[in-house]
Amino acid sequence: TQLLEQSPQFLSIQEGENLTVYCNSSSVFSSLQWYRQEPGEGPVLLVTVVTGGEVKKLKRLTFQFGDARKDSSLHITAAQPGDTGLYLCARWARGQLIWGAGTKLIIKP
Amino acid sequence: EAGVTQFPSHSVIEKGQTVTLRCDPISGHDNLYWYRRVMGKEIKFLLHFVKESKQDESGMPNNRFLAERTGGTYSTLKVQPAELEDSGVYFCASSHRGVPSSYNSPLHFGNGTRLTVT
Repeated sequence: TQLLEQSPQFLSIQEGENLTVYCNSSSVFSSLQWYRQEPGEGPVLLVTVVTGGEVKKLKRLTFQFGDARKDSSLHITAAQPGDTGLYLCARWARGQLIWGAGTKLIIKP
Repeated sequence: EAGVTQFPSHSVIEKGQTVTLRCDPISGHDNLYWYRRVMGKEIKFLLHFVKESKQDESGMPNNRFLAERTGGTYSTLKVQPAELEDSGVYFCASSHRGVPSSYNSPLHFGNGTRLTVT
């Protein structure tokens, strides 16, 4: 199992601030996904990054795949209380999704 | 289109009892997965159905867990007898036919069943 390490585990910031969370591995992977999970719900796919160096934007969320395809980051600009949730990275390996433990994000109004 | 539905949303049982979790995938989705998140740990794969066939059950913890998908529609996951370490949130996910990678066929997750074994 190639582990995905996410950092920080927990982040609490004020509305309007910027933040970055990370997903790292010692292995190269062909693609990486970011999910968001809210309490009482299942994970919801936000984005898939495939190419080394790729940057994808989803409104105020910017996802980047490292050049070496071993790491990825999620940057949120001007965070809103609605961004609160658990952010998970995951990768496909042999037909299974391998998950990171997640970053719990709280945005305070 | 209705999403993936799981029942029950919560279940509290005593050690040694039996529990059956149900998952109704999105209609027409051939791929059905079970995942589990134990408290404090990451989500882990349990098994994968393609229609009614078990494609991969390498993540099933032991023979106390039995998954079925008769007719290739809904699936059940039975735990018998339940142990304390089985507590966690059990997620079901489905995707359309084809190779299960997100850019071709993203996974849609249910809201999970929170199982507590006391």
